[in-house]
Amino acid sequence: DAKTTQPPSMDCAEGRAANLPCNHSTISGNEYVYWYRQIHSQGPQYIIHGLKNNETNEMASLIITEDRKSSTLILPHATLRDTAVYYCIVRVPSGNTPLVFGKGTRLSVIA
Amino acid sequence: DAGVIQSPRHEVTEMGQEVTLRCKPISGHNSLFWYRQTMMRGLELLIYFNNNVPIDDSGMPEDRFSAKMPNASFSTLKIQPSEPRDSAVYFCASSPAYDGYNEQFFGPGTRLTVL
Repeated sequence: DAKTTQPPSMDCAEGRAANLPCNHSTISGNEYVYWYRQIHSQGPQYIIHGLKNNETNEMASLIITEDRKSSTLILPHATLRDTAVYYCIVRVPSGNTPLVFGKGTRLSVIA
Repeated sequence: DAGVIQSPRHEVTEMGQEVTLRCKPISGHNSLFWYRQTMMRGLELLIYFNNNVPIDDSGMPEDRFSAKMPNASFSTLKIQPSEPRDSAVYFCASSPAYDGYNEQFFGPGTRLTVL
């Protein structure tokens, strides 16, 4: 079972920041927080991951609370192409372990 | 790199027929994962391989499902006989199988419809 809880849906105006929350209160000390997204009819795509510090890459920023029980994915300037289902996943950082998907958050970016 | 390749992209078949889905992982990736996505159950793991060896097939729903990985560049997922409830999108994903590696790469999926 997924160890994360996310709101089922969110709306965001185009050009504004999209802040997607995730609760993972049972995260273990060796588990990281990962975010993937799935644009309609495509396979999931990796976005970003982190352990305890804030992380930023060309796609997004990840803010993890100090107690590591929750995190927020930030898309700084959402575009229509960011409309997708966003999945928050906790797992150990290893290429040979599967992903356990929850229901995710359906983000709709509105013009 | 072409990414993870899956075939066919769409498959329509009749109940009782055998269905074979194919996957070619990214070259050099030695972990391969098969996932299934339905509206009711979302994305769920069916089986995964490390170095061509099946590690966990607990997600395979029934004996009608089988998966093989005869070499590092090819895997199949077979359903025999198929049933309407097997209708779903089947994704294959691959990654290098070492600790510290973070990303799985997904194929475009095979949309299976069983009539």
